[in-house]
Amino acid sequence: GQSLEQPSEVTAVEGAIVQINCTYQTSGFYGLSWYQQHDGGAPTFLSYNGLDGLEETGRFSSFLSRSDSYGYLLLQELQMKDSASYFCASRSGNYGQNFVFGPGTRLSVLP
Amino acid sequence: DAGVIQSPRHEVTEMGQEVTLRCKPISGHDYLFWYRQTMMRGLELLIYFNNNVPIDDSGMPEDRFSAKMPNASFSTLKIQPSEPRDSAVYFCASSVELGGGTKNIQYFGAGTRLSVL
Repeated sequence: GQSLEQPSEVTAVEGAIVQINCTYQTSGFYGLSWYQQHDGGAPTFLSYNGLDGLEETGRFSSFLSRSDSYGYLLLQELQMKDSASYFCASRSGNYGQNFVFGPGTRLSVLP
Repeated sequence: DAGVIQSPRHEVTEMGQEVTLRCKPISGHDYLFWYRQTMMRGLELLIYFNNNVPIDDSGMPEDRFSAKMPNASFSTLKIQPSEPRDSAVYFCASSVELGGGTKNIQYFGAGTRLSVL
């Protein structure tokens, strides 16, 4: 089957840098996505890695290593509004549209 | 575009009743997904469509669940009969492939919070 692992909780202070790791076991792997979800809200897309390496989008970066079945999301210059749950999601399947989400990491940003 | 639109936002029903959740995807998106989110099981993919055709429904939990997409702008997820364990937030999402399929972004609706008493 397909499975992903993430830390359940991370705490950091405003202005700091935090890294959220994700390991996956996915056959027919296409890529790894990251989504943010605030309490009571819907998941929103942050970043996607289809190839090994680093993708940078503003304060957020994501990294993928296919050989290690590992990825991470890096959040820089943390702000209070970054307090949310973060999900990695593997993409696989014949059409590359089977998405399996990790259990989520709850990030708390402290003043 | 208004984004993915789901209705109703909240649904409270009694066990045994039929429940129908509705979704309007973003215009031009050719994939539509239905997810269920609970504390115990997290975010689970139930079914997805490509160009209105169901492609993979292996995540649909039981025969009580069914989904249709009669046209490119509308989809339904139906539970009949509903049970208390179906209580969850149900999300619809639509997606677009970018860069010749090298990048995929899913846009989620606000969700329907279902409570089955």
